[in-house]
Amino acid sequence: EAAVTQSPRNKVAVTGGKVTLSCNQTNNHNNMYWYRQDTGHGLRLIHYSYGAGSTEKGDIPDGYKASRPSQENFSLILELATPSQTSVYFCASGDVGTGNTLYFGEGSRLIVV
Amino acid sequence: GEKVEQHQSTLSVREGDSAVINCTYTDTASSYFPWYKQEAGKSLHFVIDIRSNVDRKQSQRLTVLLDKKAKRFSLHITATQPEDSAIYFCAAGPDTNAYKVIFGKGTHLHVLP
Repeated sequence: EAAVTQSPRNKVAVTGGKVTLSCNQTNNHNNMYWYRQDTGHGLRLIHYSYGAGSTEKGDIPDGYKASRPSQENFSLILELATPSQTSVYFCASGDVGTGNTLYFGEGSRLIVV
Repeated sequence: GEKVEQHQSTLSVREGDSAVINCTYTDTASSYFPWYKQEAGKSLHFVIDIRSNVDRKQSQRLTVLLDKKAKRFSLHITATQPEDSAIYFCAAGPDTNAYKVIFGKGTHLHVLP
């Protein structure tokens, strides 16, 4: 069974603070993704990665950085959190070998006050 | 870039009836059309997909229809059950690059007793 785990599951951060959302996958997939889910917008891609050491900008990268130190781990970093970044964040992994099916983590709910 | 529209934000059906969720896309180059399900408070998981080399695909009670000419695809659920209640996301993009797959905003399906 594919497994993608995220931490923290819930986070309250202050405006201007730094937030790191972590994602770990045991699927041995090359590709990993960070999405945010907002009412009225569905899922939007923030950053993705092809493998360890690679990070690429998605459709809405402004205000976010990403880090992929290993095959298993992919982090999303908010250096200066803003209230507009209040959202639910989903990490996913996938591979051409799995038909590009995405395997999602449980989500991380972030509130920036 | 690709735009995916889900025309129904909510859909209510009686248990045992059929449900149809419709999506349209704009990029004629899109060839991969997955559907994901999100139950209340949970993550997304893959349910079914279709590729542009076919116009119909069935998996148990789920059928996906693809009309490339109209740039329209739909998810049909027969004999609906309470556990089918969820948000369903359609998506569209190229088969080779999952990071280019764009999601619709979701349709909340309510199966009423």
